Amino acid sequence: DAGITQSPRHKVTETGTPVTLRCHQTENHRYMYWYRQDPGHGLRLIHYSYGVKDTDKGEVSDGYSVSRSKTEDFLLTLESATSSQTSVYFCAISTGVITYGYTFGSGTRLTVV
Amino acid sequence: QKEVEQDPGPLSVPEGAIVSLNCTYSNSAFQYFMWYRQYSRKGPELLMYTYSSGNKEDGRFTAQVDKSSKYISLFIRDSQPSDSATYLCATTTEKLVFGKGTKLTVNP
Repeated sequence: DAGITQSPRHKVTETGTPVTLRCHQTENHRYMYWYRQDPGHGLRLIHYSYGVKDTDKGEVSDGYSVSRSKTEDFLLTLESATSSQTSVYFCAISTGVITYGYTFGSGTRLTVV
Repeated sequence: QKEVEQDPGPLSVPEGAIVSLNCTYSNSAFQYFMWYRQYSRKGPELLMYTYSSGNKEDGRFTAQVDKSSKYISLFIRDSQPSDSATYLCATTTEKLVFGKGTKLTVNP
């Protein structure tokens, strides 16, 4: 996915450990989003950012925190991972122009054991 | 009630069939409607968008919105095995709200 990179692509971690996922963009887009995708639930918004140091909660933000210290990087942290946070996490970027939609990264597959 | 409802399928059709994918939404304030396509183990990608009611055509794909019934449709003509993917409808006022996605398989 040109312009947006997620790392790591796969991660297995133990319950109770902290985990940080990274989203990096080279498009200089103002808006960045973190979603999780689960069978039966679809894509659900966790947190989003509308500028450096400006973030807000989505519909499933409990247990997650985010930080954006630079335009190009948006970090998602699971403070103490739980099995219910096993999911595929997608980062997305947007210019804010509705008709351009969102550009998604390739996802991070996280397994909490 | 979720803001966007989508039948998850799965849907399996033979190559060349016409495919109809559908969503309903609850908020009459929604004006922009989008369809995303997601291949296995990839992120969603924007396929088409429409504004307000009406049709929009792009090659074999037609997106249709009926605001009176709050109904969104995507039609795929002459479906191909390469169309096999999960299709997500989405709509927005400020942030995108997605349906759960319909998994489509087109069999050769």
